[in-house]
Amino acid sequence: QQPVQSPQAVILREGEDAVINCSSSKALYSVHWYRQKHGEAPVFLMILLKGGEQKGHEKISASFNEKKQQSSLYLTASQLSYSGTYFCGTGNQAGTALIFGKGTTLSVSS
Amino acid sequence: EAGVAQSPRYKIIEKRQSVAFWCNPISGHATLYWYQQILGQGPKLLIQFQNNGVVDDSQLPKDRFSAERLKGVDSTLKIQPAKLEDSAVYLCASSSIQGWGYTFGSGTRLTVV
Repeated sequence: QQPVQSPQAVILREGEDAVINCSSSKALYSVHWYRQKHGEAPVFLMILLKGGEQKGHEKISASFNEKKQQSSLYLTASQLSYSGTYFCGTGNQAGTALIFGKGTTLSVSS
Repeated sequence: EAGVAQSPRYKIIEKRQSVAFWCNPISGHATLYWYQQILGQGPKLLIQFQNNGVVDDSQLPKDRFSAERLKGVDSTLKIQPAKLEDSAVYLCASSSIQGWGYTFGSGTRLTVV
């Protein structure tokens, strides 16, 4: 079952914050976050595991609510380089391949 | 470390022709994935390998798609015959431990005309 991402698109000015959500109808073991710039491959940002802690570094962090089967990606004080499409990928069990959402397009302008 | 290598970068073929894509994962990565990404959508899993064995090919259209990973290193994905709806970017990814972060290759952009 494909996870649902919201919003579909976000437009920001530099320095503004954004939250991207990812929800699943199935119990989750792991949630991954990736960023893909136009014409490039997706790049791994972070992974959150069932029973794990909130992860992040500096201005990008994420949370995982196992009970609600949801994850959120937090982008603080956005920079131009944050522009791109963000995908969450969910795994239902250890070792299963990720199912990706449709993506959230983030546009940051100066 | 070297990234995931894929070739060709672009391919244009006519419908009903055949095409093959090649992927060489990061050295030591046991798990290899092929994903299909249609414009504007998220990657969709086609097949997952663990070493040279298939873990999941439930979404691979087996009447026209085939994949192999001989010797548990590089992999080939083939489409025969191609249809217009196969136009997409084919992404190969690898990971060192099943379920950890994936490293994606640059992909092969296939256009079927």
